[in-house]
Amino acid sequence: QKEVEQNSGPLSVPEGAIASLNCTYSDRGSQSFFWYRQYSGKSPELIMSIYSNGDKEDGRFTAQLNKASQYVSLLIRDSQPSDSATYLCAGEKGNYQLIWGAGTKLIIKP
Amino acid sequence: EAQVTQNPRYLITVTGKKLTVTCSQNMNHEYMSWYRQDPGLGLRQIYYSMNVEVTDKGDVPEGYKVSRKEKRNFPLILESPSPNQTSLYFCASTLGGRQPQHFGDGTRLSIL
Repeated sequence: QKEVEQNSGPLSVPEGAIASLNCTYSDRGSQSFFWYRQYSGKSPELIMSIYSNGDKEDGRFTAQLNKASQYVSLLIRDSQPSDSATYLCAGEKGNYQLIWGAGTKLIIKP
Repeated sequence: EAQVTQNPRYLITVTGKKLTVTCSQNMNHEYMSWYRQDPGLGLRQIYYSMNVEVTDKGDVPEGYKVSRKEKRNFPLILESPSPNQTSLYFCASTLGGRQPQHFGDGTRLSIL
């Protein structure tokens, strides 16, 4: 079992709708989680970080963390074609190291 | 501007010819890391460094070496490259704790 799992997709969402990306993790010791966006051939860029149970909102993005169920999600409201990318979920495992999911490819259809 | 700089951005070379990919950060970060990214496999850590002269293996260290003689630099060395090391490589750094990792622009290596 992978330590951080994501559905590889592609996830296709109409423009203007809500995109919902999910991630599960196996290490209960992980305390910090990050969502990165990666365009094809480019480097990952941080979208959201979350450390506590519950929701964290930043503009059109909302990250949700449920430590009891060991999942992290990212909601993108009012999806735009520019949101089309691969979204990587990562959990911190100690010594500043991150465990990465393989990523979910998101396609926003105009 | 805070950044992580990798060089070269692209390299095509042949099996067995030693190469070095440089990585430099200007944020005074203690922690630096090298990843490779292959289709369907996500980011896999090769080596990381907690501080000067402190390095450790990640998940896929075979065939690679690193050094950390200065805080800002963390070069990745392939002493005898092989075709299975053809990949997209990223260097990253972080202040640590709950801080995110900052990535370089990537180096696309092709080993023929």
